[in-house]
Amino acid sequence: EPEVTQTPSHQVTQMGQEVILRCVPISNHLYFYWYRQILGQKVEFLVSFYNNEISEKSEIFDDQFSVERPDGSNFTLKIRSTKLEDSAMYFCASSEYVLAGGWQETQYFGPGTRLLVL
Amino acid sequence: RKEVEQDPGPFNVPEGATVAFNCTYSNSASQSFFWYRQDCRKEPKLLMSVYSSGNEDGRFTAQLNRASQYISLLIRDSKLSDSATYLCVVIANQGGKLIFGQGTELSVKP
Repeated sequence: EPEVTQTPSHQVTQMGQEVILRCVPISNHLYFYWYRQILGQKVEFLVSFYNNEISEKSEIFDDQFSVERPDGSNFTLKIRSTKLEDSAMYFCASSEYVLAGGWQETQYFGPGTRLLVL
Repeated sequence: RKEVEQDPGPFNVPEGATVAFNCTYSNSASQSFFWYRQDCRKEPKLLMSVYSSGNEDGRFTAQLNRASQYISLLIRDSKLSDSATYLCVVIANQGGKLIFGQGTELSVKP
């Protein structure tokens, strides 16, 4: 069964450093997402991406964050200058298509990258 | 008011029990509704979509009441393997972003 993969599984970094989290969505999927989950809190939407551009982003997704699809398979989330409060589990998700009216094909989540900022 | 609000947990039940989870959402224009399951330190996984007519998948039954903006999940004959956090999830607009509730933890004991 096809699955979303993410690397690395864990990342420890110093405050102020740049990190890049990598995701390989399911190959025929067209919509890509990043979510994060701070320990003990709910899963929060960060950004959605379609047709090589951001479709929607949340308030969390400020100028320190960026996303890119550098080739046909990878989808990356970059945090330019990490803060302590960026420590969280970051999940990538992908879906096949979004139907008009908001109904949507299932989003498949990757296993996540646990980021710890010291 | 929270966008998606769930029963606070945890729920501790014996094997074989029936357990019900409730969820309310604030945006009346919400389009799609789901229950996801999340095991400890793992990714959310889709359990089932929720339709206006209600739907059932084996031991799991989901209901949606658009007028009350209320979603429910019923688990019958609970198994040890049902122990997890159950997430109520809503899509509010055509962008497809998922809005998650806080989750309700279920622990099924022998």
